Amino acid sequence: KNQVEQSPQSLIILEGKNCTLQCNYTVSPFSNLRWYKQDTGRGPVSLTIMTFSENTKSNGRYTATLDADTKQSSLHITASQLSDSASYICVVSGETGGFKTIFGAGTRLFVKA
Amino acid sequence: GAGVSQSPSNKVTEKGKDVELRCDPISGHTALYWYRQSLGQGLEFLIYFQGNSAPDKSGLPSDRFSAERTGGSVSTLTIQRTQQEDSAVYLCASSLKGIKAGGSYEQYFGPGTRLTVT
Repeated sequence: KNQVEQSPQSLIILEGKNCTLQCNYTVSPFSNLRWYKQDTGRGPVSLTIMTFSENTKSNGRYTATLDADTKQSSLHITASQLSDSASYICVVSGETGGFKTIFGAGTRLFVKA
Repeated sequence: GAGVSQSPSNKVTEKGKDVELRCDPISGHTALYWYRQSLGQGLEFLIYFQGNSAPDKSGLPSDRFSAERTGGSVSTLTIQRTQQEDSAVYLCASSLKGIKAGGSYEQYFGPGTRLTVT
C-alpha cells in the first residue's frame, strides 16, 4: 500500500533553534518528493521538490534531503523564526499511470519566542 | 489574479442540502486538482483534470460528489445531499502541466473553502 508517514506529529521549539522533520514513504514507483508549508487557514506552499537522483535541495533556511534507497526524507529548518510556525507536509508522487500523489498528515511546528 | 482563487471561503449548510464550490486556477495551467482536508488529517485527493482528457475521479468518496471543469479553466465541485462527515476544507490546486504531459507538476494551491455541515 502506498503510504507517506511523517514524524513527529507536532514539535515545539524555541526561536533561533534548528529542527529536523522526518518523512518515510512506501510509494512505488517513485517520481518525486515535495515538502510543503501550510500556514493556518491557507493553502500549502511548495518549499522543495526532489527527484530520485537528487539527495539534497535547499530553499533559504530550509534544506531537504532524500535517500531513495531507504525511502526517507528529512526537512531541516535552520535558525527558526516565529513565522516558521506552520504544518509541514511531505508529498510523494508516483511515476506513471494516472494520478498517484500521496500526502503525509504533516508535522505541526510551533516556534516560541 | 496571480494565484489560485476559491469561493466561497466559508460555507455553512444544513445536512441534506447541495453545495457548489468554485475554483479559478492560474491562467494557462492545464491541470487542476481538488483535495479535501479534514481537521488534523492529511490532504485527500478527490479528482484531477488534465487538459481535455477524461478526469481522474478515483478519489471521489461517493456518487454524491462530482466536479466539472468548463472551458479548461474554472472548476466547480458539487456535493449533493451533504452529510456531516463532508465537513472539511476543500482545496483546489493547479499546475502548468499534468502527469500525462510529462512535464513538471508543481502544484499551486488556493486558500481553500471551509465547509461546515450542520
